[in-house]
Formats: sequence, C-alpha cells, structure tokens
Amino acid sequence: DAKTTQPNSMESNEEEPVHLPCNHSTISGTDYIHWYRQLPSQGPEYVIHGLTSNVNNRMASLAIAEDRKSSTLILHRATLRDAAVYYCILRVRGGADGLTFGKGTHLIIQP
Amino acid sequence: GAGVSQSPSNKVTEKGKDVELRCDPISGHTALYWYRQSLGQGLEFLIYFQGNSAPDKSGLPSDRFSAERTGGSVSTLTIQRTQQEDSAVYLCASSPDRVASGLEFFGPGTRLTVL
Repeated sequence: DAKTTQPNSMESNEEEPVHLPCNHSTISGTDYIHWYRQLPSQGPEYVIHGLTSNVNNRMASLAIAEDRKSSTLILHRATLRDAAVYYCILRVRGGADGLTFGKGTHLIIQP
Repeated sequence: GAGVSQSPSNKVTEKGKDVELRCDPISGHTALYWYRQSLGQGLEFLIYFQGNSAPDKSGLPSDRFSAERTGGSVSTLTIQRTQQEDSAVYLCASSPDRVASGLEFFGPGTRLTVL
C-alpha cells in the first residue's frame, strides 16, 4: 500500500469543526482512501472511505483533492469522545493485504 | 454478539511459555486478520485468512507465531516460547469479503504481557 503522511497531533475545541489532513502523493488510481480511528484502549474503528468524490456519513466527511494526492477528514462538531488517533490508509480495492497503519494523528479535544 | 470478540482480554505469562489467543469474527465474514500493537506503536499486520484459502502469513515475525482458523470462523493465534518482546496488544479484525470494500471491523484486542 502507498504511503500516507499525517501530522503527529492536532488540538481542537469541543463543538468546533476539525479538519485532519493527509498527504498521499504516490497514490495510484486503484487506491481507496480509508480513515480509521483508535480510541484509548480500544481496537481501531472504521470512520469513512472514498475513491474520488467527497463522501459523507454519520460520523464524518471526507474531502478528496482533485488530484487525489491529499485528503481531509472533517469532523463537523467535535466532542470529547472524538479524542483518538486518526489513521489515513490507502487500500487497493479488493486488496487482501492487511491494512498498513502509520503513526496517525493524535487528536486532542479541549472542553 | 454483533461485533468481533477476542479472549482473553488480558494475558500475563512467563517467558518461555506458550499462549493461545482467540478471535470470534462477525458471523458471515469471510476474511480474518491478526495485527499486533506494541506500546506507543502503530499496528503491525501479522496474518490474513480468506475463506478456505491458504492464509497469508507474510507478517508473522518468527516461526514461534502460528495461527489457524477452524471452519472458516473462529481463529486462534498461538505464540510458542514467548519472549518479552512479544508483549503487545493483539488485535483481530474481520471483513465481509476481500472484494467489496476492504473494510475491517476490529475486536477489542488481547493485551499480552510476558514477564
């Protein structure tokens, strides 16, 4: 899987939007962009994924750059429960390899 | 239950002993993965099962590690002659199938401590 680059940590205030960036300049045409998050002492949890178009679900939105070399995970209104490590991962559709997790972004939410 | 379950949640063992970790995937999921996460580190892929196919063992760190999946459902990860560096959280994930989306659903993990 191609490599992604994320900031080590970010801080935001409760009830404000959060934009988590991810760079993936070596992305290939068949790579999907997946986001997972890991809350303290829990296993990773799927958040959202997309290929080319922006995506929305009940948890978040995913904005994908036109050239697909970067993407942004958007939490519209952060809560304290959103404090977690957020991982941006590229995965080939139908890829059978395990997910390649980098260090992710540690999101800190201030009350 | 609706999610992936793992047992035990915590395991403390002495160096040199064998341990078995169990994973119950979501019913109907054909793909099953094992990962480990050492303290302060990212997740490291260990092994992958897809249906009745031979497992992808490319991530296993040594021949002391093995895994099996019986009847295409429950999986057991076995670590023989444990070493202190094996201490980590071992996570299991399952996925509906390898083609649909690549989404994985993770269990809560087993925290292994080797003294």
